[in-house]
Amino acid sequence: QVQLVQSGAEVKKPGASVKVSCKASGYSFTSYGIGWVRQAPGQGVEWMGRISTYNGYTKYAQNLQGRVTLTTDTSTSTAYMELRTLRSDDTAIYYCARVVDYDSSGYYSDHWGRGTLVTVSS
Amino acid sequence: DIQMTQSPSSLSASVGGRLTITCRASQSISTYLNWYQQQPGRAPKLLIRAASSLQSGVPSRFSGSGSGTDFTLTISSLQPEDFATYYCQESYSSLTFGGGTKVEIK
Repeated sequence: QVQLVQSGAEVKKPGASVKVSCKASGYSFTSYGIGWVRQAPGQGVEWMGRISTYNGYTKYAQNLQGRVTLTTDTSTSTAYMELRTLRSDDTAIYYCARVVDYDSSGYYSDHWGRGTLVTVSS
Repeated sequence: DIQMTQSPSSLSASVGGRLTITCRASQSISTYLNWYQQQPGRAPKLLIRAASSLQSGVPSRFSGSGSGTDFTLTISSLQPEDFATYYCQESYSSLTFGGGTKVEIK
């Protein structure tokens, strides 16, 4: 069965960076994209960006452009999300999700990781 | 960026009742609209893709409709497990989510 297993919780100081991993299994990794979503405490979900596991193409949310980098390691079927220059309002649960594309603008996320809590505090 | 506006932001409903949640896009997105359900402490779950296609395994009491800028999610007969927060998401541009609709028990 499809599984996305994320790395454990992190505590970081303001200004630091964090890198969260998402290991996929149960399907052909390069046949689907990976997206990242975050959710601050008590808030709604926010799309961060997606990466094509086939060719590495990335598209980031405008408000995170320049601070976030998505990468993959196809040899281990693992995706990574790195967020730099952390602020207290980056405290959130970070989810990875498998992204299915069905045409040039049609995407949806059908399987999700359990989330990784990133806490930014001095 | 396309803005997605959901209404209402919260509502109370009874088990067995029918409810409709609306989602409006700031520009036309054709049918590039998904709906997700999120239970407390859980990751979102895909319910509807491409505005009206029911995801495999999702009960048929869930349905979606709309195109262009206006979309709806309808639950025909609310079950206890349906009390959750619902999000729409456009996939035409940046995969932006709406602000969410929290459904509570009346």
